[in-house]
Amino acid sequence: GAVVSQHPSWVICKSGTSVKIECRSLDFQATTMFWYRQFPKQSLMLMATSNEGSKATYEQGVEKDKFLINHASLTLSTLTVTSAHPEDSSFYICSARDPGGGQETQYFGPGTRLLVL
Amino acid sequence: AQSVTQPDIHITVSEGASLELRCNYSYGATPYLFWYVQSPGQGLQLLLKYFSGDTLVQGIKGFEAEFKRSQSSFNLRKPSVHWSDAAEYFCAVGAATGGYNKLIFGAGTRLAVHP
Repeated sequence: GAVVSQHPSWVICKSGTSVKIECRSLDFQATTMFWYRQFPKQSLMLMATSNEGSKATYEQGVEKDKFLINHASLTLSTLTVTSAHPEDSSFYICSARDPGGGQETQYFGPGTRLLVL
Repeated sequence: AQSVTQPDIHITVSEGASLELRCNYSYGATPYLFWYVQSPGQGLQLLLKYFSGDTLVQGIKGFEAEFKRSQSSFNLRKPSVHWSDAAEYFCAVGAATGGYNKLIFGAGTRLAVHP
């Protein structure tokens, strides 16, 4: 089946620094990737949709200058949390859309846990 | 607006017992429906999906779900639960936008399994 990886799996950083999270589709080309945020014991909230070669589409209430998304290739999307603060601590999960499977399905990465001190 | 409701926040069952997790959706057109499972600290794994055709869908790990349009439901079932099924389960509906589907998730149901 389709495999999506994320790196790093966890990161601890100081307040004010920037953190980059990578999302890769390993065995398929993903023209569209999605970034979600999940708070403890809560559901996933879509942050933005990342399309290869174009600007990301952000959901209402998500600061695009805070969460920079780049989708430079068909297998890689990155999320950069700029000037991170403790309130940005969360579990970030990406997914990739695999249209080649014949149906619209998103495959999820294992997630990245971010802790901002 | 599209939405997904999972009425049960937490369910506890005994190992070997049957399981049904409820999911209701609100969507104007024929929905794409999904069930995902999430183990602690992990990403989401697709259990099964419904796009069209047979309303009873078989998935991995012995799970199945039935789409009932009249009830706007897509409940997940398993005849005999194993201890390894303890996890968080999310129902999602695909909402068409710009040529692809955004997923709208329910709040999730946490399943605990007693030995």
